[in-house]
Amino acid sequence: GAVVSQHPSWVICKSGTSVKIECRSLDFQATTMFWYRQFPKQSLMLMATSNEGSKATYEQGVEKDKFLINHASLTLSTLTVTSAHPEDSSFYICSASVSQYNEQFFGPGTRLTVL
Amino acid sequence: AQSVTQPDIHITVSEGASLELRCNYSYGATPYLFWYVQSPGQGLQLLLKYFSGDTLVQGIKGFEAEFKRSQSSFNLRKPSVHWSDAAEYFCAVGLIKAAGNKLTFGGGTRVLVKP
Repeated sequence: GAVVSQHPSWVICKSGTSVKIECRSLDFQATTMFWYRQFPKQSLMLMATSNEGSKATYEQGVEKDKFLINHASLTLSTLTVTSAHPEDSSFYICSASVSQYNEQFFGPGTRLTVL
Repeated sequence: AQSVTQPDIHITVSEGASLELRCNYSYGATPYLFWYVQSPGQGLQLLLKYFSGDTLVQGIKGFEAEFKRSQSSFNLRKPSVHWSDAAEYFCAVGLIKAAGNKLTFGGGTRVLVKP
Protein backbone atom coordinates (compact mmCIF):
# COMPACT_ATOMS: atom_id res chain seq x y z
CA GLY A 1 0.00 0.00 0.00
CA ALA A 2 0.81 3.72 -0.03
CA VAL A 3 2.32 3.83 -3.50
CA VAL A 4 3.04 7.13 -5.21
CA SER A 5 3.97 7.36 -8.87
CA GLN A 6 5.40 10.14 -10.96
CA HIS A 7 5.27 10.68 -14.68
CA PRO A 8 7.44 11.12 -16.58
CA SER A 9 10.48 9.67 -14.84
CA TRP A 10 12.71 11.87 -16.93
CA VAL A 11 12.16 14.64 -19.45
CA ILE A 12 14.37 16.76 -21.65
CA CYS A 13 13.02 20.00 -23.02
CA LYS A 14 14.17 23.13 -24.79
CA SER A 15 14.63 26.40 -22.97
CA GLY A 16 11.45 28.46 -23.01
CA THR A 17 9.04 25.55 -23.13
CA SER A 18 6.78 24.35 -20.33
CA VAL A 19 6.88 20.92 -18.76
CA LYS A 20 4.20 19.18 -16.72
CA ILE A 21 5.02 16.53 -14.12
CA GLU A 22 2.30 14.33 -12.65
CA CYS A 23 2.19 12.85 -9.18
CA ARG A 24 -0.38 10.17 -8.39
CA SER A 25 -1.30 8.30 -5.25
CA LEU A 26 -2.20 4.86 -6.56
CA ASP A 27 -3.88 3.14 -3.63
CA PHE A 28 -4.96 5.90 -1.29
CA GLN A 29 -6.55 9.31 -1.38
CA ALA A 30 -4.07 12.06 -0.75
CA THR A 31 -5.56 15.24 0.58
CA THR A 32 -2.08 16.74 0.83
CA MET A 33 0.78 16.52 -1.64
CA PHE A 34 4.21 18.04 -1.46
CA TRP A 35 6.70 18.97 -4.15
CA TYR A 36 10.43 18.90 -3.53
CA ARG A 37 13.41 19.85 -5.60
CA GLN A 38 16.76 18.13 -5.30
CA PHE A 39 19.95 19.37 -6.89
CA PRO A 40 22.74 16.88 -7.61
CA LYS A 41 24.34 15.56 -4.45
CA GLN A 42 22.18 17.80 -2.31
CA SER A 43 19.24 17.39 -0.02
CA LEU A 44 15.55 17.83 -0.75
CA MET A 45 14.13 21.30 -0.57
CA LEU A 46 10.40 21.71 -0.13
CA MET A 47 8.92 23.84 -2.87
CA ALA A 48 5.24 23.82 -2.03
CA THR A 49 2.41 22.09 -0.24
CA SER A 50 -0.86 21.48 -2.02
CA ASN A 51 -4.18 20.50 -0.53
CA GLU A 52 -6.87 19.04 -2.75
CA GLY A 53 -9.16 21.75 -4.04
CA SER A 54 -7.08 24.59 -2.65
CA LYS A 55 -4.30 26.79 -3.90
CA ALA A 56 -0.81 25.57 -3.19
CA THR A 57 1.27 27.11 -0.43
CA TYR A 58 4.73 27.95 -1.68
CA GLU A 59 7.89 28.10 0.36
CA GLN A 60 9.81 31.32 0.57
CA GLY A 61 11.85 31.96 -2.53
CA VAL A 62 9.84 29.68 -4.81
CA GLU A 63 8.18 31.50 -7.70
CA LYS A 64 4.55 30.47 -7.84
CA ASP A 65 4.15 31.77 -11.39
CA LYS A 66 7.15 29.72 -12.45
CA PHE A 67 6.14 26.49 -10.76
CA LEU A 68 2.40 26.01 -11.19
CA ILE A 69 0.87 23.39 -8.93
CA ASN A 70 -2.59 21.94 -9.36
CA HIS A 71 -4.17 19.42 -7.00
CA ALA A 72 -7.53 18.91 -8.66
CA SER A 73 -8.31 15.46 -7.32
CA LEU A 74 -7.51 13.29 -4.33
CA THR A 75 -5.12 11.18 -6.35
CA LEU A 76 -3.41 13.62 -8.68
CA SER A 77 -1.23 16.68 -8.36
CA THR A 78 0.67 18.30 -11.19
CA LEU A 79 3.70 20.56 -11.26
CA THR A 80 4.17 22.65 -14.37
CA VAL A 81 7.52 24.32 -14.89
CA THR A 82 6.71 27.28 -17.11
CA SER A 83 9.17 28.84 -19.52
CA ALA A 84 11.85 26.45 -18.37
CA HIS A 85 15.49 27.50 -18.30
CA PRO A 86 18.65 25.45 -17.81
CA GLU A 87 18.80 26.48 -14.14
CA ASP A 88 15.46 24.69 -13.63
CA SER A 89 17.17 21.41 -14.42
CA SER A 90 16.82 19.30 -11.32
CA PHE A 91 15.30 16.21 -9.77
CA TYR A 92 11.71 16.86 -8.73
CA ILE A 93 10.15 14.58 -6.13
CA CYS A 94 6.57 14.58 -4.93
CA SER A 95 5.10 13.05 -1.83
CA ALA A 96 1.57 12.43 -0.67
CA SER A 97 -0.18 11.98 2.63
CA VAL A 98 -3.67 11.03 3.66
CA SER A 99 -4.03 14.25 5.55
CA GLN A 100 -1.77 17.04 6.60
CA TYR A 101 -1.27 15.18 9.86
CA ASN A 102 -0.01 11.91 8.41
CA GLU A 103 3.39 10.77 7.18
CA GLN A 104 4.41 11.36 3.61
CA PHE A 105 4.94 8.71 0.96
CA PHE A 106 7.38 9.63 -1.76
CA GLY A 107 7.28 9.18 -5.50
CA PRO A 108 10.29 7.95 -7.48
CA GLY A 109 11.14 11.40 -8.80
CA THR A 110 11.34 13.11 -12.20
CA ARG A 111 14.60 14.25 -13.66
CA LEU A 112 14.18 17.42 -15.70
CA THR A 113 16.91 18.57 -18.07
CA VAL A 114 16.45 21.89 -19.83
CA LEU A 115 18.69 22.45 -22.83
CA ALA B 1 12.91 27.36 12.57
CA GLN B 2 13.87 23.74 12.84
CA SER B 3 17.07 22.42 11.28
CA VAL B 4 18.63 19.03 10.75
CA THR B 5 22.36 18.36 10.57
CA GLN B 6 24.05 15.27 9.25
CA PRO B 7 27.72 15.90 10.06
CA ASP B 8 29.12 13.22 7.77
CA ILE B 9 28.82 13.88 4.05
CA HIS B 10 30.46 10.59 3.07
CA ILE B 11 31.08 7.38 4.94
CA THR B 12 32.95 4.38 3.59
CA VAL B 13 32.45 1.08 5.33
CA SER B 14 33.53 -2.46 4.58
CA GLU B 15 30.89 -5.04 3.87
CA GLY B 16 29.99 -6.83 7.06
CA ALA B 17 31.15 -3.99 9.28
CA SER B 18 28.84 -1.91 11.42
CA LEU B 19 27.48 1.45 10.32
CA GLU B 20 26.35 4.48 12.27
CA LEU B 21 25.01 7.64 10.66
CA ARG B 22 24.65 10.73 12.78
CA CYS B 23 21.74 13.11 12.85
CA ASN B 24 21.25 16.15 15.06
CA TYR B 25 18.26 18.41 15.04
CA SER B 26 17.31 21.77 16.38
CA TYR B 27 13.68 22.17 17.21
CA GLY B 28 11.76 23.79 20.02
CA ALA B 29 9.22 21.03 20.55
CA THR B 30 9.26 17.25 20.55
CA PRO B 31 10.02 16.34 16.96
CA TYR B 32 8.83 13.57 14.75
CA LEU B 33 11.94 11.97 13.26
CA PHE B 34 12.51 9.96 10.13
CA TRP B 35 15.30 8.23 8.27
CA TYR B 36 15.00 7.75 4.52
CA VAL B 37 17.24 6.00 2.02
CA GLN B 38 17.65 7.06 -1.60
CA SER B 39 19.29 4.92 -4.24
CA PRO B 40 20.79 6.71 -7.25
CA GLY B 41 18.12 8.30 -9.40
CA GLN B 42 15.35 7.06 -7.17
CA GLY B 43 12.84 8.50 -4.76
CA LEU B 44 12.96 8.09 -1.00
CA GLN B 45 12.18 4.98 0.95
CA LEU B 46 11.27 5.23 4.61
CA LEU B 47 13.60 3.18 6.82
CA LEU B 48 12.07 4.02 10.17
CA LYS B 49 10.34 6.74 12.13
CA TYR B 50 9.98 7.93 15.69
CA PHE B 51 6.84 9.57 16.95
CA SER B 52 6.82 8.69 20.66
CA GLY B 53 7.38 5.82 23.09
CA ASP B 54 10.41 3.54 23.03
CA THR B 55 13.40 5.59 22.01
CA LEU B 56 15.04 2.67 20.18
CA VAL B 57 13.24 2.21 16.90
CA GLN B 58 13.52 -0.76 14.60
CA GLY B 59 13.17 -0.30 10.88
CA ILE B 60 13.39 -2.18 7.65
CA LYS B 61 16.52 -3.77 6.17
CA GLY B 62 18.01 -4.38 9.61
CA PHE B 63 18.33 -0.69 10.54
CA GLU B 64 17.61 0.82 13.91
CA ALA B 65 17.80 4.31 15.34
CA GLU B 66 17.90 5.75 18.82
CA PHE B 67 16.30 9.00 19.86
CA LYS B 68 18.29 10.84 22.52
CA ARG B 69 16.46 13.93 23.63
CA SER B 70 19.34 15.19 25.79
CA GLN B 71 21.65 15.17 22.77
CA SER B 72 19.03 16.19 20.19
CA SER B 73 20.13 13.22 18.15
CA PHE B 74 18.57 10.43 16.17
CA ASN B 75 21.45 8.28 14.94
CA LEU B 76 20.92 5.41 12.54
CA ARG B 77 22.74 2.11 12.96
CA LYS B 78 23.15 -1.22 11.27
CA PRO B 79 25.23 -4.04 12.80
CA SER B 80 26.41 -5.57 9.53
CA VAL B 81 26.37 -3.70 6.25
CA HIS B 82 25.55 -5.33 2.92
CA TRP B 83 26.76 -4.08 -0.44
CA SER B 84 23.16 -3.18 -1.28
CA ASP B 85 23.18 -0.62 1.54
CA ALA B 86 25.30 1.72 -0.57
CA ALA B 87 23.03 4.73 -1.01
CA GLU B 88 22.27 8.22 0.25
CA TYR B 89 20.64 8.47 3.65
CA PHE B 90 18.55 11.39 4.82
CA CYS B 91 17.40 12.26 8.29
CA ALA B 92 14.26 14.39 8.50
CA VAL B 93 12.27 16.23 11.13
CA GLY B 94 8.52 16.50 10.80
CA LEU B 95 5.99 18.94 12.06
CA ILE B 96 3.14 16.48 12.02
CA LYS B 97 0.07 17.75 13.84
CA ALA B 98 1.17 21.27 13.15
CA ALA B 99 2.09 23.44 10.23
CA GLY B 100 0.80 21.08 7.60
CA ASN B 101 3.10 18.12 8.10
CA LYS B 102 6.21 19.68 6.61
CA LEU B 103 9.48 17.79 6.62
CA THR B 104 12.89 19.36 6.97
CA PHE B 105 15.71 17.23 5.63
CA GLY B 106 19.32 17.01 6.61
CA GLY B 107 22.00 17.34 3.97
CA GLY B 108 22.35 13.60 3.56
CA THR B 109 25.14 11.09 4.07
CA ARG B 110 26.42 9.05 1.16
CA VAL B 111 27.42 5.54 2.18
CA LEU B 112 29.94 3.62 0.14
CA VAL B 113 30.43 -0.06 0.83
CA LYS B 114 33.79 -1.69 0.15
CA PRO B 115 33.85 -5.40 -0.73
